[in-house]
Amino acid sequence: NAGVTQTPKFQVLKTGQSMTLQCAQDMNHEYMSWYRQDPGMGLRLIHYSVGAGITDQGEVPNGYNVSRSTTEDFPLRLLSAAPSQTSVYFCASSRPGTGGDGYTFGSGTRLTVV
Amino acid sequence: RKEVEQDPGPFNVPEGATVAFNCTYSNSASQSFFWYRQDCRKEPKLLMSVYSSGNEDGRFTAQLNRASQYISLLIRDSKLSDSATYLCVVRQLTGGGNKLTFGTGTQLKVEL
Repeated sequence: NAGVTQTPKFQVLKTGQSMTLQCAQDMNHEYMSWYRQDPGMGLRLIHYSVGAGITDQGEVPNGYNVSRSTTEDFPLRLLSAAPSQTSVYFCASSRPGTGGDGYTFGSGTRLTVV
Repeated sequence: RKEVEQDPGPFNVPEGATVAFNCTYSNSASQSFFWYRQDCRKEPKLLMSVYSSGNEDGRFTAQLNRASQYISLLIRDSKLSDSATYLCVVRQLTGGGNKLTFGTGTQLKVEL
């Protein structure tokens, strides 16, 4: 049982490049979300999904797109990378209604935009 | 004002000490409360939920004071392995499901 798998673990992008951060879970969780973590800021919600075909914006959605075509996968796309998007990105999943206790996080993607 | 506030620390304590962290939240509609632990360069992991009556899990005790809108975590008999950042997490129900708000974390360093 792999849990939540994020790829890549590390990435360096040039300003203006696009890329997709992958997130997959094998726990049949309906709820998936993307967070970014910056020093002194805590984890901030970027986008989330309550099920396949349904996505919504979180606190800091600008510059990011998501889609949820299957229950298992929830990719995060950076449309045109900017240095302000240098951060650590975490994907998390849970069963509906479990709130914080059911959240499983992936190991993170460390992104640097130069 | 941040929705969830924590003292960033670091708290440097000797092994065996008792240490307490506090966290305050601003949204009175918050429904559930949690402490997560995050090791350096790792993902957050649930440490314990926080219930109104207070709850204990081994050396860890969590308390919730809804009237004052603060949450506490007490760690007794600190171990070197307790060194980590402790995140206070608050949940509100929204139309789209659960909204979790994370504090910035309190860093604990347990020393010999």
